Amino acid sequence: GENVEQHPSTLSVQEGDSAVIKCTYSDSASNYFPWYKQELGKRPQLIIDIRSNVGEKKDQRIAVTLNKTAKHFSLHITETQPEDSAVYFCAASPPLFSGGYNKLIFGAGTRLAVHP
Amino acid sequence: GAVVSQHPSRVICKSGTSVKIECRSLDFQATTMFWYRQFPKQSLMLMATSNEGSKATYEQGVEKDKFLINHASLTLSTLTVTSAHPEDSSFYICSAGRGENEQFFGPGTRLTVL
Repeated sequence: GENVEQHPSTLSVQEGDSAVIKCTYSDSASNYFPWYKQELGKRPQLIIDIRSNVGEKKDQRIAVTLNKTAKHFSLHITETQPEDSAVYFCAASPPLFSGGYNKLIFGAGTRLAVHP
Repeated sequence: GAVVSQHPSRVICKSGTSVKIECRSLDFQATTMFWYRQFPKQSLMLMATSNEGSKATYEQGVEKDKFLINHASLTLSTLTVTSAHPEDSSFYICSAGRGENEQFFGPGTRLTVL
């Protein structure tokens, strides 16, 4: 089955700096890659996603890149702000034909701290 | 759009009792819902996939007789933790699937078993 690895586990940056979180996946058939932000005790919130037919997607200060050949994708946050501090999870979704039922396999998470 | 509610938000129960958690998609129909468990400072671990009108599909290592899932309508799935024990204490989160891949999460239920 699909396996997702995420690095780093913790990331500390100064306000205004950029933050990059990387994930690799094992199932080359996976075709959907969302990123979630989770604040303490709260639900995961979808912040950006990318499908396998696209190499890059951007939404204001957040961007995601996908390299299908290398089976890795990354989250880029520019001009970080203290309110960006949270745990970020990447995920990969195997396609339906492999019995995936649209399920998501999550990475271990990255705890991002943005210091003023 | 894409609002998912979960009830209760917190529950404390005695060891050996059963607890039911409800997950509802409020503004869309969800043929598929998912149940996750999250231990402190860990990732979300998929427990089972719940399909409306059919049996749930459980992930390896998850006891289907202990974690009963019912998906009776397109907007409601329930998870019942039977004969709960302290090691079942965790944060349980549901999600509702929309379209081909998107999942929208409920606010979670913190279960504490004494």
